[in-house]
Amino acid sequence: GQNIDQPTEMTATEGAIVQINCTYQTSGFNGLFWYQQHAGEAPTFLSYNVLDGLEEKGRFSSFLSRSKGYSYLLLKELQMKDSASYLCAVRALNTGFQKLVFGTGTRLLVSP
Amino acid sequence: DVKVTQSSRYLVKRTGEKVFLECVQDMDHENMFWYRQDPGLGLRLIYFSYDVKMKEKGDIPEGYSVSREKKERFSLILESASTNQTSMYLCASFHRTGGGNEQFFGPGTRLTVL
Repeated sequence: GQNIDQPTEMTATEGAIVQINCTYQTSGFNGLFWYQQHAGEAPTFLSYNVLDGLEEKGRFSSFLSRSKGYSYLLLKELQMKDSASYLCAVRALNTGFQKLVFGTGTRLLVSP
Repeated sequence: DVKVTQSSRYLVKRTGEKVFLECVQDMDHENMFWYRQDPGLGLRLIYFSYDVKMKEKGDIPEGYSVSREKKERFSLILESASTNQTSMYLCASFHRTGGGNEQFFGPGTRLTVL
């Protein structure tokens, strides 16, 4: 089976840096995704890691350690619009078809 | 731009009604998914389909069925709606080979069963 853990809620200040952690246990690991979801809206893709290391994309970076079952999403120069939920999801190979298993999400509140 | 559309943003139904939620994608994706999202429980997979007329149960298929008659369309059916099926329903699609790696989500349907 799969198990994904991430903090329920985090708060940070505009302009700061925040790190959202995600730990997972899964069989047939085939990639980790981060999605952003604003209240009442659909999730939108942020990043994808399948190999160990850091992937940087503008203000957002994502890190993966497969041996530790660990990932983090780093958000720099926080803006008010970054207030949203951040979903960690793991892709697992299941009888040849690929599914995503999602964590419950981390709600980030950015204050002025 | 990849586009995944869902037939309704908001839907209110009565207990026992048959409910159809429609999802259409325009990117020729083989894989399509139906999730429900509830506070504290995150996104949970109901059913998915990897090709026309093919379907697989997800983690919580009870009370639901699906139909995939055409590649672009994946329908979720609640045979007899119950109040515990009040939720946000999200459809997603994904290309099996090539292209990007991410699932693309529709805008969601917020279903209320009274």
